[in-house]
Amino acid sequence: DAGVTQSPTHLIKTRGQQVTLRCSPKSGHDTVSWYQQALGQGPQFIFQYYEEEERQRGNFPDRFSGHQFPNYSSELNVNALLLGDSALYLCASSLVPGKSGANVLTFGAGSRLTVL
Amino acid sequence: KNQVEQSPQSLIILEGKNCTLQCNYTVSPFSNLRWYKQDTGRGPVSLTIMTFSENTKSNGRYTATLDADTKQSSLHITASQLSDSASYICVVSYLGGYNKLIFGAGTRLAVHP
Repeated sequence: DAGVTQSPTHLIKTRGQQVTLRCSPKSGHDTVSWYQQALGQGPQFIFQYYEEEERQRGNFPDRFSGHQFPNYSSELNVNALLLGDSALYLCASSLVPGKSGANVLTFGAGSRLTVL
Repeated sequence: KNQVEQSPQSLIILEGKNCTLQCNYTVSPFSNLRWYKQDTGRGPVSLTIMTFSENTKSNGRYTATLDADTKQSSLHITASQLSDSASYICVVSYLGGYNKLIFGAGTRLAVHP
């Protein structure tokens, strides 16, 4: 049973460029959340997707956008990259609120983004 | 303001020794508290989840405690192993904010032979 898979594992971009990160949730999960983790810090919530719609959003600018596909996989897009966007981007999957076990988050290994 | 603070920031212990990590929170209204282990370059892995009514929960050599009155939690690691070297993150969830979890900055534990 595959867990959460993310791609790419590492990438390097320059300021002003755009990046797309991908996530496949754990089998059976239908909700995907994205987090940004700067070096030495805890993860910060970006947004959550369920039924192909953004359901909740953290304190991140509109440069951060996402999408969820019918197969529950998800993408995180970041436009106009800044140096401060360099971080580990984590995807976590879970069940929709209200379902048994919805509290359990399963994280992927993350995508390490470096902005030069 | 909802916050989670962890201490110490980093810790070095010898293999076989015990250690205790601390977590203080001001999150309200409280739903549950989780401890995660994060190996370098990997995603966090859940160790324990505790609700308001639970005082202690164990997962192998890991034992978490929760005092909801003082809003404090601890993670005790017994007979440490080299593989315990990781960051340990305390995460608090609040009612009405499903998956708007408040993460602590983590404690970096290094276990030396």
